[in-house]
Amino acid sequence: GQNIDQPTEMTATEGAIVQINCTYQTSGFNGLFWYQQHAGEAPTFLSYNVLDGLEEKGRFSSFLSRSKGYSYLLLKELQMKDSASYLCAAMDSNYQLIWGAGTKLIIKP
Amino acid sequence: GAVVSQHPSRVICKSGTSVKIECRSLDFQATTMFWYRQFPKKSLMLMATSNEGSKATYEQGVEKDKFLINHASLTLSTLTVTSAHPEDSSFYICSASSPGGTYNEQFFGPGTRLTVL
Repeated sequence: GQNIDQPTEMTATEGAIVQINCTYQTSGFNGLFWYQQHAGEAPTFLSYNVLDGLEEKGRFSSFLSRSKGYSYLLLKELQMKDSASYLCAAMDSNYQLIWGAGTKLIIKP
Repeated sequence: GAVVSQHPSRVICKSGTSVKIECRSLDFQATTMFWYRQFPKKSLMLMATSNEGSKATYEQGVEKDKFLINHASLTLSTLTVTSAHPEDSSFYICSASSPGGTYNEQFFGPGTRLTVL
C-alpha cells in the first residue's frame, strides 16, 4: 500500500533550526512536495523535490533521498509565524498526491 | 502565481439541505481539479478528481450520488453536497492543476468550512 509517515507534533524555539522528517512508500514516484498549512486555512506550496539532494529556498530547505524513501524539511531562523502544520505529500505514478497527516510545529519564544 | 478561489468560505445549513461549493482558477486554465475533505487535525483526504468535460473519478468510499461534481469549464468546478448531514461537516478544499509546468503542482483554494446542523 501507499503510505506517508511524519511526526505528529514538534516544538522549537524562535530563532532556532528545526528538521521535519518524512518517509514515504508509493506506487511509482513523481516527486515529493512540502506544504504549509495554518489552522483553518488551505495548504500553501513550499517545495518540490524529484531528484536526490538538497533544494534551498531562503529560510526553508528540502532534502530528498529516493533510495531511502526519505525527505526532510529544514526551517532556519524560526519565526513565530512559522507555527503551522507542515504536510508532506508524495506523487505516485498516476500523478496523484499521497498525503501525510501533517506535522504540527509549535514555536516558543 | 496561480490563484484559485472558493465560494462560499463558510456555510451553515440544516440537515437534509444541499450545498454547492464553487472552485475557480482565476488566472490559468485548470484541466484537472481536485476536491479534498479535511477533518480537524487530520490530513487531506482526496474525494475526487475531475477533468474538464468528463465525469469525475471518485475515491473509494466516496458516494458519487451524494457528492456531485461538475467541471463544466476550464476555470470552474463545483461540488454539491446533497442531503447534507452533520457528519458531512468538514473543511472542503479544492485544488487545480494545469499541464505545462515543470511539475504537476496543485494550487489550492482557501477552503470552505461546512457546518451541518
